[in-house]
Amino acid sequence: EIVLTQSPGTLSLSPGERATLSCRASQSVSSSYLAWYQQKLGQSPRLLIYGASSRATGIPDRFSGSGSGTDFTLTISRLEPEDFAVYYCQQYGSSPWTFGQGTKVEIK
Amino acid sequence: EVQVVESGGGLVQPGGSLRLSCAASGFTFSGYWMTWVRQAPGKGLEWVANIKQDGSEQYYLDSVKGRFTISRDNAKNSLYLQMNSLRAEDTAMYYCARERGYRDYWGQGTLVTVSS
Repeated sequence: EIVLTQSPGTLSLSPGERATLSCRASQSVSSSYLAWYQQKLGQSPRLLIYGASSRATGIPDRFSGSGSGTDFTLTISRLEPEDFAVYYCQQYGSSPWTFGQGTKVEIK
Repeated sequence: EVQVVESGGGLVQPGGSLRLSCAASGFTFSGYWMTWVRQAPGKGLEWVANIKQDGSEQYYLDSVKGRFTISRDNAKNSLYLQMNSLRAEDTAMYYCARERGYRDYWGQGTLVTVSS
C-alpha cells in the first residue's frame, strides 16, 4: 500500500499570500495518478486537480498541481478568503487507492 | 447537473446493520465505477469500497471485508452499501462518489453512528 504523507500539517497564511502544499508518496505513483481535494468545514470534498496537474471543471487557475514519482505539490498562487480549508492528496496508481492525512490552510 | 445524494445513515448499536443508499442523476450512471468513502469525526478520508459499472467487480478496505457489501442497481441509478456487524470504529460520515480513480463528484454524506 502506498502511504501518502502531506506537509505541513497546518499552514498559517494571510489572504493574498502563496500557499505551497506537499504530498510525498512512499513509492512512486505510476503515471502521475495523483489528485488533490479541498474540504471546507461541514462540506464534502471537492476535486481540484487530477493527473497531478489537470484542473477539474470550474476550478480557478490560481490552483495548480505539479510533480511526479514520489513528490507532488499543490500551489495556490494568491489565497482568497474561500480557500481556507483542508486539502487532501490521493493516489490512484496502485490499489488500494489511498489518501494523505490532510493539510489545513488557516488564516494567520 | 451531476448529483449524488446519500441516505440511510443513523444511530445503530454495535453488531447491528444498516443499509446506505446513493441516488445518482445528471450522468450515465451505468457508465461509471462508483465508490464509498468515509470520514470519522475530526479525521481524514478513508476509501471503503468501490464497484465496477456492471457490478461484476467489487473491492473493499481490508477492515470491512466480510462485513460490508457494495452493490448497485443501474435501472434505478442507485448505489448501496450494506453494513453488517457494525463496530464503534465504523462511526463516520459516509460519502458516495463517482469513481474515475479520482473522485470527481461527491454527495453531501450520510452520518453513521455506532454506539450503545
